[in-house]
Amino acid sequence: AQRVTQPEKLLSVFKGAPVELKCNYSYSGSPELFWYVQYSRQRLQLLLRHISRESIKGFTADLNKGETSFHLKKPFAQEEDSAMYYCALSGLNTNAGKSTFGDGTTLTVKP
Amino acid sequence: EADIYQTPRYLVIGTGKKITLECSQTMGHDKMYWYQQDPGMELHLIHYSYGVNSTEKGDLSSESTVSRIRTEHFPLTLESARPSHTSQYLCASSKNAGGELFFGEGSRLTVL
Repeated sequence: AQRVTQPEKLLSVFKGAPVELKCNYSYSGSPELFWYVQYSRQRLQLLLRHISRESIKGFTADLNKGETSFHLKKPFAQEEDSAMYYCALSGLNTNAGKSTFGDGTTLTVKP
Repeated sequence: EADIYQTPRYLVIGTGKKITLECSQTMGHDKMYWYQQDPGMELHLIHYSYGVNSTEKGDLSSESTVSRIRTEHFPLTLESARPSHTSQYLCASSKNAGGELFFGEGSRLTVL
C-alpha cells in the first residue's frame, strides 16, 4: 500500500528564515511525488512535482529514494508562504494511479 | 476558460435529506475524483472515475454514491444525510492517471 507521512501538523518560522516541510513515503515501485498548496480562501493547487525539477516561488523539493523522502525547502520564507501544504504520491504501477495525500502541514510565517 | 466547478459552495441541511454535490470540468479530462477533507484537514479519496460509466470507490469508505454519465460531469449523492457526513468535499480532475490534480473550490456540507 502507498502511504505518505507529514510528521509536522504545524510549522511556524519567522520571515527570512529557512523552512523545510518534511514528507516521507512508502511505495513499492517508482513513485510520482507532488507538493500541493492551499492558501487561505483559495483552492488546493499544485506547487511542484518532482519530475519537473523546477523551483516554484522559491521552493524546491528533491526526491531521495534511499530515505524515501520528498522534503519541501525554501531558503528564505515570506509571509505570503503561509498556507496549508500537502505532500502527495501517485503510482502508475499500483493503486491505479490514484493519488494519496499526507495529512498536511500548516505553515505560518511570522513577520 | 478551462476550469473545474463545484456547486453548491456551502450547504446546510437537516438529517435525512438527500443531497447532490455537483462537479463539472471543462478541461477535457477523463479522470475525475472526489476527496473528503476532514476538519483536521486530512484529504481522503472517496470516489474516482477514469471515464464515462466507470466509477470506483476510493480508499475511505463513504456512504455517498457517484455517477459518470458524461465526461465533464461527476456528481456525488448522499441519499440520507447524517451529521457524520459534515465535511468539505473536493472534486478534482486529471489528464492522466497519476498526474497533476486540478481541484475545484470545494463544497462545504453541514448536516444538522
